Amino acid sequence: AQSVTQLDSQVPVFEEAPVELRCNYSSSVSVYLFWYVQYPNQGLQLLLKYLSGSTLVKSINGFEAEFNKSQTSFHLRKPSVHISDTAEYFCAVSDGGGSNYKLTFGKGTLLTVNP
Amino acid sequence: DADVTQTPRNRITKTGKRIMLECSQTKGHDRMYWYRQDPGLGLRLIYYSFDVKDINKGEISDGYSVSRQAQAKFSLSLESAIPNQTALYFCATSDFPSRGGELFFGEGSRLTVL
Repeated sequence: AQSVTQLDSQVPVFEEAPVELRCNYSSSVSVYLFWYVQYPNQGLQLLLKYLSGSTLVKSINGFEAEFNKSQTSFHLRKPSVHISDTAEYFCAVSDGGGSNYKLTFGKGTLLTVNP
Repeated sequence: DADVTQTPRNRITKTGKRIMLECSQTKGHDRMYWYRQDPGLGLRLIYYSFDVKDINKGEISDGYSVSRQAQAKFSLSLESAIPNQTALYFCATSDFPSRGGELFFGEGSRLTVL
């Protein structure tokens, strides 16, 4: 079974600063990778995902993540954050196949953007 | 209207009571999941179902049961609630293998067990 490690439980940054949220997973077998975002008092919504092809994937609001197979990592980055990016971010990895397919989530990273 | 609807959104109950959380979806997906979210622990999978005849235990199924009444409905029950089941519960759907099995979440059901 997969395990997902989000190395930072909380990341405080100032507005317009760059940020990196780190995610590592346990197995090097072929996987799908996801980042979800949870704004305060809301459900989870997909931010971006890697299925195949280019290892660099981007979201519509300026986030990007790079799949690194050798390091089993999928770190999330943004060059300049906004107050509105304050949220909890969850990394998820595909686990199993066929009827056993599911997503395993990390423990989350709370990103707080301060003015 | 939301594609994945959870009821109730908030519930306070007492130890020993039976509780049912319901999930319905209009996305036409076959696969449905129940996750539990606790602060600092992320989301953990309780049960998942790939059709009305296929139900599987997740990593934390003890103390929970589920029912897949139809393709669109998946209910989670706590037969005898206890305080450490206080959490935020999410239902999710997927049409795997499409979109890599991306999950679509409901807005969550916050359960407090006193």
